[in-house]
Amino acid sequence: EIVLTQSPATLSLSPGERATLSCGASQSVSSSYLAWYQQKPGLAPRLLIYDASSRATGIPDRFSGSGSGTDFTLTISRLEPEDFAVYYCQQYGSSPWTFGQGTKVEIK
Amino acid sequence: QVQLVQSGSELKKPGASVKVSCKASGYTFTSYAMNWVRQAPGQGLEWMGWINTNTGNPTYAQGFTGRFVFSLDTSVSTAYLQISSLKAEDTAVYYCARTVRQWVAAAGFDPWGQGTLVTVSS
Repeated sequence: EIVLTQSPATLSLSPGERATLSCGASQSVSSSYLAWYQQKPGLAPRLLIYDASSRATGIPDRFSGSGSGTDFTLTISRLEPEDFAVYYCQQYGSSPWTFGQGTKVEIK
Repeated sequence: QVQLVQSGSELKKPGASVKVSCKASGYTFTSYAMNWVRQAPGQGLEWMGWINTNTGNPTYAQGFTGRFVFSLDTSVSTAYLQISSLKAEDTAVYYCARTVRQWVAAAGFDPWGQGTLVTVSS
């Protein structure tokens, strides 16, 4: 199975700053079938990005995804207060689908 | 609007069974695959598998075979997760999540149900 490794584990930033989250895969992710989710405490995850770079419906354009093969990035151009949360990457190019362990974006 | 509504929290004793429901609305139920995801307390997300809502054929991830069963009732647009012989380590929030694209399993998950907490304790 494909193992996804997210870095850093925690990112401490201030509102207005740029956040760059990484997701590395143990094998190439077929067709760039990679998604990013945001999860806040007590809530279900929310899809932000799918197919590595396509924004899901209703997601602000400050969120962007890039990458291919084994290296993927989620960028939040300017952090808003509501963006502080845990972010997960997920690959669905090779079964079983797998998730990374998450990156927590916290207020500095 | 498209939404998935799951059944409420459950408290079960070890060895018992539980059945979690996931009722879909706002779209054609049989056009999108349904996934199940587990999140143990304080932990990350773990994909359990998916069910083809058109054929009823389930696919289970390793570690979720035997005691875990996915099923459907298409007449009420509802997917089910049944867990038998419950163990303490099954304590988790269980989510259903629809694929974002029709007719394929390989797609991001959107939307998600609100989650169902299953607690296994004597």
